Amino acid sequence: EPEVTQTPSHQVTQMGQEVILRCVPISNHLYFYWYRQILGQKVEFLVSFYNNEISEKSEIFDDQFSVERPDGSNFTLKIRSTKLEDSAMYFCASLKDSQSNQPQHFGDGTRLSIL
Amino acid sequence: KNEVEQSPQNLTAQEGEFITINCSYSVGISALHWLQQHPGGGIVSLFMLSSGKKKHGRLIATINIQEKHSSLHITASHPRDSAVYICAVKAGGGSNYKLTFGKGTLLTVNP
Repeated sequence: EPEVTQTPSHQVTQMGQEVILRCVPISNHLYFYWYRQILGQKVEFLVSFYNNEISEKSEIFDDQFSVERPDGSNFTLKIRSTKLEDSAMYFCASLKDSQSNQPQHFGDGTRLSIL
Repeated sequence: KNEVEQSPQNLTAQEGEFITINCSYSVGISALHWLQQHPGGGIVSLFMLSSGKKKHGRLIATINIQEKHSSLHITASHPRDSAVYICAVKAGGGSNYKLTFGKGTLLTVNP
């Protein structure tokens, strides 16, 4: 069964550095998402992306965050100047289309540790 | 803003027991997900439902839209069912939706 893949599985970065988290959504999916889960807390929506633009973003997704689909397969989340509180598990998800009542498919996540 | 509450927060069972995890939400939704998160952190979608009941193997999910409540049942539980079970809701129509998540229920099934 096709999967959403995320790399790396674990990223350790110094505070203030830029980090890029990578995702390869399922190939025929059109809608893409990033979620975040701080240790011990609930999963939170960050941003949704469709047709090469952001559809919706949460209040967490401030100017330090950006997303991009640089080619036909990758979907990236960039954090420009990381803070300690950015330490979390980041999940990418994708969704096929608007006609079928299908669930979002999640990747295994990237654990981001800011030192 | 939709509030999603799950109960119990933690659940310990003996192998073979029938498990029920509950989810309630505050605002009308168009669909509800049940998700499974294993200790490694990955999330797997178990069900998406907007009415009635769905069954997959030993897992059964039900939803009552009027009461804003859903339950996930596991029959004949097994240690491999040990995981965090998360309820997440989708509000509004269309497919380009964001999910609002509950805090999850940590299930431990002992042999």
